[in-house]
Amino acid sequence: QVQLVQSGAEVKKPGASVKVSCKASGYTFTGYYMHWVRQAPGQGLEWMGRINPNSGGTNYAQKFQGRVTMTRDTSISTAYMELSRLRSDDTAVYYCARVLSPDPDGGVNYWGQGTLVTVSS
Amino acid sequence: SYELTQPPSVSVSPGQTARITCSGDALPKQYAYWYQQKPGQAPVLVIYKDSERPSGIPERFSGSSSGTTVTLTISGVQAEDEADYYCQSADSSGTYEFGGGTKLTVL
Repeated sequence: QVQLVQSGAEVKKPGASVKVSCKASGYTFTGYYMHWVRQAPGQGLEWMGRINPNSGGTNYAQKFQGRVTMTRDTSISTAYMELSRLRSDDTAVYYCARVLSPDPDGGVNYWGQGTLVTVSS
Repeated sequence: SYELTQPPSVSVSPGQTARITCSGDALPKQYAYWYQQKPGQAPVLVIYKDSERPSGIPERFSGSSSGTTVTLTISGVQAEDEADYYCQSADSSGTYEFGGGTKLTVL
């Protein structure tokens, strides 16, 4: 069965960077786009970007351009999301989420458990 | 990026039909997706490509599209359907956006 297991909670100071990992299992990692979505406490969902694990190609939300980097390591079926120059309003739960099918436009149907990133001085 | 607009809340009695709308200029050209999120849980995809239902999603969930508005319809609402619902779509460059979310209350 498809599983996405994310790295543990992080506490960072303003200005620092955080790198969240998402280890995939139960399917061919390179066959399905991976998205990253975050949710601040009590707020809605916010799309950050996606990566094609086969090519490494990325699409980022304009809001995060220049601050976010999504990468993958196909040898260990793991995707990464790094966010730099952290601010207090980056405090959120960060999710990786896999698309439903090899069709990149199929919507995301499998989610990691979420990683809480807290930014505080 | 572009905006997707949803009503903040919708209320319905059990057994009735709930309709949640999502408006955006790109919707005539781009697919829409709908997610259900219950407190403390990750979202669940309930509709993709405007009107397709993933395996395991009850038939009472359906989606439709007309012009710049897409609609999630839940027929015969049950108490367990109380949740936040988010629409999502993409632009032609492959960047996605979520609507602000709609809280569905089952009275």
